Amino acid sequence: DQQVKQNSPSLSVQEGRISILNCDYTNSMFDYFLWYKKYPAEGPTFLISISSIKDKNEDGRFTVFLNKSAKHLSLHIVPSQPGDSAVYFCAASDQSGYSTLTFGKGTMLLVSP
Amino acid sequence: DSGVTQTPKHLITATGQRVTLRCSPRSGDLSVYWYQQSLDQGLQFLIQYYNGEERAKGNILERFSAQQFPDLHSELNLSSLELGDSALYFCASSPLTSGYEQYFGPGTRLTVT
Repeated sequence: DQQVKQNSPSLSVQEGRISILNCDYTNSMFDYFLWYKKYPAEGPTFLISISSIKDKNEDGRFTVFLNKSAKHLSLHIVPSQPGDSAVYFCAASDQSGYSTLTFGKGTMLLVSP
Repeated sequence: DSGVTQTPKHLITATGQRVTLRCSPRSGDLSVYWYQQSLDQGLQFLIQYYNGEERAKGNILERFSAQQFPDLHSELNLSSLELGDSALYFCASSPLTSGYEQYFGPGTRLTVT
């Protein structure tokens, strides 16, 4: 049973436009969410996170939105750049005890010039 | 560069064999996590160690084991290897016992033939 779902395996966007990556979760105990970016032949790199007490967190071109009632979060990249082309993983943690991260399967983003 | 190192980068071995993957966490990080990424799969959490002690177990097979040494490096031992064990194995570290941001190494690609 997948507790974190990224239903779009891939997304193509033109340079300068907005990229929106979506993530849904089923476990209501999750209260901390993270996005990771992964280039080929490299490990995932932490990008941005959000606590469940917030509904938005912004860091430069990256903004994460959280809708707790819908159990949905999204990552917005504005403006998108070709260097943003990578696989993006959504992850969630319940912060209970020695909590661990549950990852989605990832969305491959391709930003074309 | 995340500061997490993993060796070897690539490993090719035969079914039934045993291998050891090594991970050195970022300086000062006490928590080490192991993940498996198979084809078309997200990152599957295997096991977590904190300061030498096992803290959490995920989808780790009984044929797999891990340990964290006093110098905080960790090893993941995979035995009686099967073709299905072919995957990318990532190590991550964090300074805390709970999830939060984890910093990933470049991974070890294991191919079982």
